[in-house]
Amino acid sequence: DIQMTQSPSSLSASVGDRVTITCRASQSITTYLNWYQQKPGKAPKLLIYVTSTLQGGVPSRFSGSGSGTDYTLTISSLQPEDFATYYCQQTYITPWTFGQGTKVEIK
Amino acid sequence: EVQLVESGGGLVQPGGSLRLSCSASGFTLTTYSMHWVRQAPGEGLEYVSAISNNGVSTYYTDSVKGRFTISRDNSKNTLYLQMSSLRIEDTAVYYCVKSSLRAAFDYWGQGTLVTVSS
Repeated sequence: DIQMTQSPSSLSASVGDRVTITCRASQSITTYLNWYQQKPGKAPKLLIYVTSTLQGGVPSRFSGSGSGTDYTLTISSLQPEDFATYYCQQTYITPWTFGQGTKVEIK
Repeated sequence: EVQLVESGGGLVQPGGSLRLSCSASGFTLTTYSMHWVRQAPGEGLEYVSAISNNGVSTYYTDSVKGRFTISRDNSKNTLYLQMSSLRIEDTAVYYCVKSSLRAAFDYWGQGTLVTVSS
C-alpha cells in the first residue's frame, strides 16, 4: 500500500495567515492527490482533486500543487471557517489511502 | 441532487454482525465506484472497502478481509456493507462515499456509528 505522510500533524494560526500543509507519498502518485476538509462531527468535504483542481464551491483561497511524491495544500488567507482537520488522499493505486490528517487550530 | 443516506449502525457485542445500508439518490450506483471509509473515535480516515462501477471488482482492507462483504442492489440503488465477527477495533463512524470520474470522493454520507462493546 502507498503510505501518505502529512506534516505538520497540527498547527496554530491566526485569521489572515497563509497556511501550508504538506503531503508526501511513499512512491510517485502522478498527481492523483486529493485534499479534504473535515469539521468536528461532520463528514469530510472534497476541496481539491488531482493535485490542483478546486471542487465546485470551494473558495479560491485554497490551492494545491505538487508532483511525484510531494504535494502541498495552501490556504492563502485563513478564515474563521477554515479551522478544521485536513486530509490528503492518493487515488493512484488501490487502496486509496489517506494521510493522518493536519489539524488547523486557532492561535 | 446527490444524496447518500446510511443506516444500520448501532451497538453490537464482539463477534456479532451488522449490515450497513447506504441509500443513494440523484445518481445511479452502476455509474460510479462506491466505497466505505471509517473513522474511529478521535482518529483519522481509514479506507475500508470498495466496489467497482460494474460490480465485478471489490476491495477490502486487510483487517476486514473475510469478515466484511460489500455489495449493492441496483434495483434499490443501495450499497451495503455486511459486517460479521465484529471486533472492538471495528468501532467507528462508517461513511458511504461516491467516487467521481476523476477518482475523488465527491459525495459522502452523514456517517453511521458502529460500536462494538460487551
